Amino acid sequence: DAGVTQSPTHLIKTRGQHVTLRCSPISGHKSVSWYQQVLGQGPQFIFQYYEKEERGRGNFPDRFSARQFPNYSSELNVNALLLGDSALYLCASSLGATLEKLFFGSGTQLSVL
Amino acid sequence: GENVEQHPSTLSVQEGDSAVIKCTYSDSASNYFPWYKQELGKRPQLIIDIRSNVGEKKDQRIAVTLNKTAKHFSLHITETQPEDSAVYFCAATPRGNNRLAFGKGNQVVVIP
Repeated sequence: DAGVTQSPTHLIKTRGQHVTLRCSPISGHKSVSWYQQVLGQGPQFIFQYYEKEERGRGNFPDRFSARQFPNYSSELNVNALLLGDSALYLCASSLGATLEKLFFGSGTQLSVL
Repeated sequence: GENVEQHPSTLSVQEGDSAVIKCTYSDSASNYFPWYKQELGKRPQLIIDIRSNVGEKKDQRIAVTLNKTAKHFSLHITETQPEDSAVYFCAATPRGNNRLAFGKGNQVVVIP
């Protein structure tokens, strides 16, 4: 079975643009969560989705949004990009509705110029 | 919200010695505490986790202990090996179990 897959692996955008990041969970996992990891820091929780419903939201502005599709894959959207949005964006999947025993993807490295 | 802190930020140990990393949390209602290992350029991987109704859990050379009164939990690595060199992140699930708060990470360096 494939692990959690994310695309693209790298992305370069300019300030003010919009970006969409994609995540496919491990087969059978119904929960997807998103994290922002700045170099040298721990992952910061952005969203959790379970069965296509938002279950949790971190302290991020409304420019950040996400959704989960019927096949449990997910998209993270960021509008009006700022330089400070430059980071590694990690997606994780888990079997149940909780944030326990997460399996992470390799991430999307976003650079905002 | 939940605040998670890790100490020390960097730890160097001789191969074969033990390493201990301590993590403190602020929300006394937190009930799930995982440790993730992240090697350079790789994804975080769960190495061990513990629930608030358990005081200690062990898996081969790795153990986690939880002190709910003091609101801290520690990762213990015995007989360290060079492949244990990585950044270790602790985390806590606060009240409601709908968020996960990570610490800033501990860099562990195992010197051969």
